[in-house]
Amino acid sequence: EPEVTQTPSHQVTQMGQEVILRCVPISNHLYFYWYRQILGQKVEFLVSFYNNEISEKSEIFDDQFSVERPDGSNFTLKIRSTKLEDSAMYFCASIRGTGLSYEQYFGPGTRLTVT
Amino acid sequence: GEDVEQSLFLSVREGDSSVINCTYTDSSSTYLYWYKQEPGAGLQLLTYIFSNMDMKQDQRLTVLLNKKDKHLSLRIADTQTGDSAIYFCAESREYGNKLVFGAGTILRVKS
Repeated sequence: EPEVTQTPSHQVTQMGQEVILRCVPISNHLYFYWYRQILGQKVEFLVSFYNNEISEKSEIFDDQFSVERPDGSNFTLKIRSTKLEDSAMYFCASIRGTGLSYEQYFGPGTRLTVT
Repeated sequence: GEDVEQSLFLSVREGDSSVINCTYTDSSSTYLYWYKQEPGAGLQLLTYIFSNMDMKQDQRLTVLLNKKDKHLSLRIADTQTGDSAIYFCAESREYGNKLVFGAGTILRVKS
């Protein structure tokens, strides 16, 4: 069964450093998302991406964040200068975008620890 | 704004039915989802329902939707120890839109 994959599973970085979180969405999917879950809190939407551009972003997704789909398979989230409060589990998700498929599938997540 | 609320904890005995409840505020919610998260794992889609439906059944899972009261429930029949996890309710306004999640309900199944 196709699945969303994410790398790395755990990333430790120092405050102020740049990090890139990588995702490979399901191959025939057209909508892509990043969410995050701070420990003990709700899963929060960050950004959605469709047709090679951001379709929606939350207040959390400020200038420190960017997304990119550099090729036909990867979808990345970059945090330019990490802060302690960026420590969270980051989930990538995708949805097919055609036909009658409404399922939004999530990857296993990347745990980001900022020290 | 959009908000989704869930009770925090549910404890049941193995073999019993579990009912996890969720309320949402956005009357424009069109798609409603249930996800399961096991410790250290990602979000596994269990099922979803459209706002024009009242009920959806999928094997041991039954979803009930009361659109008037903006209330969604997930019933798990014959609950097993492997069902112990956090269950998240989520809603979406339109196709392709973001999901808004509840805080999750911890389900503990006692053998």
